[in-house]
Amino acid sequence: QVQLKESGPGLVQPSQTLSLTCTVAGFSLTSYNVHWVRQPPGKGLEWMGVIWNTGGTRYNSALKSRLSISKDTSKSQVFLKMNSLQTEDTATYYCARAIRSRAIEGVMDAWGQGASVTVSS
Amino acid sequence: DVQMTQSPSNLAASPGESVSINCKASKSISKYLAWYQQKPGKANKLLIYSGSTLQSGTPSRFSGSGSGTDFTLTIRNLEPEDFGLYYCQQHNEYPFTFGSGTKLEIK
Repeated sequence: QVQLKESGPGLVQPSQTLSLTCTVAGFSLTSYNVHWVRQPPGKGLEWMGVIWNTGGTRYNSALKSRLSISKDTSKSQVFLKMNSLQTEDTATYYCARAIRSRAIEGVMDAWGQGASVTVSS
Repeated sequence: DVQMTQSPSNLAASPGESVSINCKASKSISKYLAWYQQKPGKANKLLIYSGSTLQSGTPSRFSGSGSGTDFTLTIRNLEPEDFGLYYCQQHNEYPFTFGSGTKLEIK
């Protein structure tokens, strides 16, 4: 059964660094790409970035200077780190698996429940 | 970045009715559009991708159409479990971008 679960601190102080972990089960990170998407309260979804099965990454240019995605394949974990957090980074952060296809990118067929992060002092 | 404009923002319908949700891209995205359903307390669910390809497990009452810049999600014979939020997302180019969402409510 495919599962993704986000974990991390619920509260982060302004200017600090957010660290989130996505623990996956039911598939291998060597075969699937994993995306991060966030959603501010009451607002829409924003794609943040992806780590490919090869370990390569691609980021949303709006966040690129602050964002880093990595993984530990042996532990089935994907990591998100974002620095210089501001109040507008308050959101639910989701990790999501991409469908496995050579022809199609960016389609997310399994999502975690999300981790709520509040940026506040 | 490709801007996705979704309409309507809110939609009210009764079980058994049919509804359509529209999504317009700021430039051509070929056929590469996905639709997701979001419900409180549940993981987001992929319904359709590449414009009209039903994800495994998506009921046949859901259908997607369109290409280029204009796309539509149609739900026929609404069931109670279909009510919720729907988002379109272009998967033609980076950065992937989403529409602003449509809230489908019971009338």
